[in-house]
Amino acid sequence: DAGVTQSPTHLIKTRGQQVTLRCSPKSGHDTVSWYQQALGQGPQFIFQYYEEEERQRGNFPDRFSGHQFPNYSSELNVNALLLGDSALYLCASSTGTGQETQYFGPGTRLLVL
Amino acid sequence: AQKVTQAQTEISVVEKEDVTLDCVYETRDTTYYLFWYKQPPSGELVFLIRRNSFDEQNEISGRYSWNFQKSTSSFNFTITASQVVDSAVYFCALSEAEQAGTALIFGKGTTLSVSS
Repeated sequence: DAGVTQSPTHLIKTRGQQVTLRCSPKSGHDTVSWYQQALGQGPQFIFQYYEEEERQRGNFPDRFSGHQFPNYSSELNVNALLLGDSALYLCASSTGTGQETQYFGPGTRLLVL
Repeated sequence: AQKVTQAQTEISVVEKEDVTLDCVYETRDTTYYLFWYKQPPSGELVFLIRRNSFDEQNEISGRYSWNFQKSTSSFNFTITASQVVDSAVYFCALSEAEQAGTALIFGKGTTLSVSS
């Protein structure tokens, strides 16, 4: 049973560029959440997608956007990258009903120079 | 406002010692869920336990045990007879039932180092 997968594993970008991160949920899951984890901090919730709609959003600027596809996979897009966007980006999947447990992928480490 | 506090930033123990990781939460919801995750150096968050606000029974799973006390808004995690493989960052998280989605609010984590 494949778990949550994310690509790429590492990424280096320069300020002002745009980046797209990808996530495939665990088999049977239809909800995808994205988190940003800065060095030495706990993960911060970015947004959650369910039925191809953004269901909930954290306190992140509009530069952060996302998408969910019919097969439940998801993308996180960040425009106009800032140095402060350097972090580990974690994707988590769960079922859409109730407060089900979120299972995390290995993350994408983004470095903005 | 919702908040999770893990006051212990780092803990160092020697193998076979017992260790307790503290977690205190704040929420105005009457129904909520609490979680513990483990993050080894590889970076992937590993789910350990989920607890509902209406279930205050303590839980034991092998060397791991959890103590949930609504009266003190705490959900502490104890590792008995610690091992080197327990070295990791441990996060406590909260999810509120009265929100549109199921966002997790994490504490800042406690880094546990177990030496042999």
